[in-house]
Amino acid sequence: AQTVTQSQPEMSVQEAETVTLSCTYDTSESDYYLFWYKQPPSRQMILVIRQEAYKQQNATENRFSVNFQKAAKSFSLKISDSQLGDAAMYFCAYRTRALRETSGSRLTFGEGTQLTVNP
Amino acid sequence: DSGVTQTPKHLITATGQRVTLRCSPRSGDLSVYWYQQSLDQGLQFLIQYYNGEERAKGNILERFSAQQFPDLHSELNLSSLELGDSALYFCASNRGRGETQYFGPGTRLLVL
Repeated sequence: AQTVTQSQPEMSVQEAETVTLSCTYDTSESDYYLFWYKQPPSRQMILVIRQEAYKQQNATENRFSVNFQKAAKSFSLKISDSQLGDAAMYFCAYRTRALRETSGSRLTFGEGTQLTVNP
Repeated sequence: DSGVTQTPKHLITATGQRVTLRCSPRSGDLSVYWYQQSLDQGLQFLIQYYNGEERAKGNILERFSAQQFPDLHSELNLSSLELGDSALYFCASNRGRGETQYFGPGTRLLVL
């Protein structure tokens, strides 16, 4: 079974600075997807960024970028020019790309990292 | 707004009761997923439906059941409720296995 680990329960950053959130995962598969979701105080789950394992290029979405290290099974999220609205719980998630009768397309989540942005 | 809707937003009930949570997926999405977010268990996958058929099961209790209707909306039924069932229940949807899942706003269940 796949597992996702976020070793930083809490992180803080000054407004306009850069912060990196860590995520490691364990899988025996070679083809999969990785995601970062953001959960603000409203509790809505919002997709931040997605990475396909077969792509070597790191995904980027505006101020958000990832450092995907497949061999090390590491998937960190970098937030540049942090804004007050970035304050939220961030979840790393894994999903297989294979179609299996039993596992379907479920997401496996890490424990989350609570990010505080200080003005 | 993800396009996924969930009702009700909040639900307060007593132990031993039964409740039904409803989810309407994004237009065109065939897959519906249910997740539970609790303080002690984190975010856990419960069950997936694809075009009306059960596709995968996670750590879903026998007291819980779900179904997806012909119009593709889904319902999660929770029965014989216990205090530990208090949680935020999310529904997510996508068009197929390669697609990103988009989450609804969740239903916050409190069992007293």
